[in-house]
Amino acid sequence: ETGVTQTPRHLVMGMTNKKSLKCEQHLGHNAMYWYKQSAKKPLELMFVYSLEERVENNSVPSRFSPECPNSSHLFLHLHTLQPEDSALYLCASSQDPDRRNTIYFGEGSWLTVV
Amino acid sequence: EDQVTQSPEALRLQEGESSSLNCSYTVSGLRGLFWYRQDPGKGPEFLFTLYSAGEEKEKERLKATLTKKESFLHITAPKPEDSATYLCAVRSPNAGNNRKLIWGLGTSLAVNP
Repeated sequence: ETGVTQTPRHLVMGMTNKKSLKCEQHLGHNAMYWYKQSAKKPLELMFVYSLEERVENNSVPSRFSPECPNSSHLFLHLHTLQPEDSALYLCASSQDPDRRNTIYFGEGSWLTVV
Repeated sequence: EDQVTQSPEALRLQEGESSSLNCSYTVSGLRGLFWYRQDPGKGPEFLFTLYSAGEEKEKERLKATLTKKESFLHITAPKPEDSATYLCAVRSPNAGNNRKLIWGLGTSLAVNP
């Protein structure tokens, strides 16, 4: 069983659709993250949750809406996306967002907006 | 400005040909340097964390070292299965807070049989 599981692995959606990405971590961590990875760009942190409370929001457009119902699950709700939002979306977790600890990533969800 | 630069951008090696990847950084008060491996279409896989200059860590054919300005990932006698993109990231208190990692663009390594 992998530590951080993401579904779906691939998603194609139209600009008017509403979809969600799901992430589950089995590591007993308290912090969860959403990252965006685009070609020729470094990883971009989108959101950080610590004990289900959002503690970081890096000026992400409102068409991305995160939800963290408990410390093991994280969602990214998507609506009215743009083609430039096509990317690999990575979920990650760590023991604590503010101390010395390692971030572990899921396999990612490939999103294509058409 | 805090920055992480990885070189080379791409590297092609023959199986068994040892080499090194570089990660140079300009951050004040380094709070950790991380190496990850990323296979195509997958998420980054954690390799090492280094915290202080002079520290070294090893895992199979990989060895990571750290100085005050850069880190090297040495690959000894690589095999085709070592082909991947290697990402470097640093944690700095100057990045707003300790929650952010500053990522490099990665080095794409290809090992030919």
